[in-house]
Amino acid sequence: QVQLQESGPRLVKPSETLSLTCTVSGGSVSIYYWSWLRQTAGKGLEWIGHVFADGSTSHKSSLRTRVSMSVDTSKNQFALKLSSVTAADTAVYYCARDIRRFESGYLSIWFDSWGPGILVTVSS
Amino acid sequence: ETVLTQSPGTLSLSPGERGTLFCRASESISTSSLAWYQVKPGQAPRLLIYGTSSRATGIPDRFSGSGSGTEFTLTISSLEPEDFAVFYCQHYGSSHTFGGGTKVEIK
Repeated sequence: QVQLQESGPRLVKPSETLSLTCTVSGGSVSIYYWSWLRQTAGKGLEWIGHVFADGSTSHKSSLRTRVSMSVDTSKNQFALKLSSVTAADTAVYYCARDIRRFESGYLSIWFDSWGPGILVTVSS
Repeated sequence: ETVLTQSPGTLSLSPGERGTLFCRASESISTSSLAWYQVKPGQAPRLLIYGTSSRATGIPDRFSGSGSGTEFTLTISSLEPEDFAVFYCQHYGSSHTFGGGTKVEIK
């Protein structure tokens, strides 16, 4: 069974870059799409973006100019960078595995495995 | 972008009771694109239901999903102590959207 674990600094200063890594065990990052999501205080879940093993990415449109993602197949990891952070970026960040299915002309995507999450606080 | 509205915001129930959670979409969506998750503090979120009604691996049969069009339901037939958590519905259309969540708390 695949397991995911987020890691990275838990405190980031305003205007700096948040950097997180997700380590995958029990499965290979070379297949599947891999996503980052977050949950801010008092709000629900928000998808940030995904990355595939070939390095192709897609991001939530409102975050696109600040987000970059990458994959390191040699370490079985994928990563998130979010630049120019503000207090509004304080959240629990999750990494997850995408499951994709085409059915009746529709592409459906859900997240079948998640990490436990890491609380990142943006504060000076 | 499709907006998902979950109700009620909080559901207060006792173990053994039946819980019914609702997820309303702002427009008709494919049943294949609706999923449900359980989230507990400090734990990895857990996929419960995908494709509106298919249980994920290892999910007990007390969890069931149904619905079509704009109205979707997650039912917990008899609440166990470990079921108390926040539940979210999720849809993928042109992008991912989540509902605001329903907290199921112990009465």
